[in-house]
Amino acid sequence: KAGVTQTPRYLIKTRGQQVTLSCSPISGHRSVSWYQQTPGQGLQFLFEYFSETQRNKGNFPGRFSGRQFSNSRSEMNVSTLELGDSALYLCASSLEEDYNEQFFGPGTRLTVL
Amino acid sequence: GIQVEQSPPDLILQEGANSTLRCNFSDSVNNLQWFHQNPWGQLINLFYIPSGTKQNGRLSATTVATERYSLLYISSSQTTDSGVYFCAVGGSNYKLTFGKGTLLTVNP
Repeated sequence: KAGVTQTPRYLIKTRGQQVTLSCSPISGHRSVSWYQQTPGQGLQFLFEYFSETQRNKGNFPGRFSGRQFSNSRSEMNVSTLELGDSALYLCASSLEEDYNEQFFGPGTRLTVL
Repeated sequence: GIQVEQSPPDLILQEGANSTLRCNFSDSVNNLQWFHQNPWGQLINLFYIPSGTKQNGRLSATTVATERYSLLYISSSQTTDSGVYFCAVGGSNYKLTFGKGTLLTVNP
């Protein structure tokens, strides 16, 4: 069974632009979560979706948004990019509604110049 | 929210040595996972262990939920064990809270 996939793997943008990252969960998984990893703040929760509904959102500005489609694939969008948005963005999926074991994708490394 | 503390922050070992990594958390949890982050950034699942003890080869883990801590044991360490180990916990709010990690360096 294929793991969690994320596209693109690497991305370079300039300040003020917007970016969309994509995540395909493991087949059959309906919960998808997003995390941001930076050297200063570590791994921080962005949001979680289950059956197209956002169930929780982390403490990030409104420039960070996400959605989930009926096939459980998810996208996150960051508008008006800032230098501080440079980070590794990780997506995770899990099988059950109860949010059990999480499986992570390889990540998208975003650099904002 | 839940606080997660990992210790030690850094650990340097000689190949063949054993080590114990600790994770303390501040509230009851439904989920506790240990991960190893590879050099390319991917989090590799080691254990899903909200309670009890599990073993997988040279690695084992124990979570004592009532005392709010978990331990990851690495025996006969190898250079390929080097990297950052994360503990992450989840409550009823559909998110994982990560510790700051333990950077393990295994020298040949």
